[in-house]
Amino acid sequence: EAGVAQSPRYKIIEKRQSVAFWCNPISGHATLYWYQQILGQGPKLLIQFQNNGVVDDSQLPKDRFSAERLKGVDSTLKIQPAKLEDSAVYLCASESYEQNYGYTFGSGTRLTVV
Amino acid sequence: KQEVTQIPAALSVPEGENLVLNCSFTDSAIYNLQWFRQDPGKGLTSLLLIQSSQREQTSGRLNASLDKSSGRSTLYIAASQPGDSATYLCAVTSGAGSYQLTFGKGTKLSVIP
Repeated sequence: EAGVAQSPRYKIIEKRQSVAFWCNPISGHATLYWYQQILGQGPKLLIQFQNNGVVDDSQLPKDRFSAERLKGVDSTLKIQPAKLEDSAVYLCASESYEQNYGYTFGSGTRLTVV
Repeated sequence: KQEVTQIPAALSVPEGENLVLNCSFTDSAIYNLQWFRQDPGKGLTSLLLIQSSQREQTSGRLNASLDKSSGRSTLYIAASQPGDSATYLCAVTSGAGSYQLTFGKGTKLSVIP
């Protein structure tokens, strides 16, 4: 089974610029998550999708972050405008009740805002 | 609000030693607990998943235990190898219809040849 695909792997942008990350979950996994991991910290949930609907976006900074999951498959996370404190690794994950809600994570996108 | 703590934050051991990583969580009403491994600059690799009704899980040289009532889990690594060097993250799922993970900050393990 193919894993969770993310792109790009790395991105460097200047503050106030915009950036977008893409995620393709494991086929058939209805639930998709975006997590933010700041250096030295554990990942923190940004948003949870069930199919193409948002389940929880309470920790998403909505003034600058947005996310969508068209057709319940791929997802895009966007930051506009970026701030220095957005420098982090952005991880996409999917989980399946058939696997007892075990998670599979992508390799992540490392964002550096300068 | 669920909080997950991992002790120690960093650990350095000589090759061949057995070691234990600790994880504690504040709310015992969990659905499952997962241990992940993270190599520098990489994503997370799931190592072991323990359901709330289980006491332990084993995979190769790894053994994870869960004491839900006391809010604790341990990850035991036998006969450590330099290739085990990585950050190990513990995370719990609280269930109740939402299977979001709450993570600890991780333990950075270095196995010295």
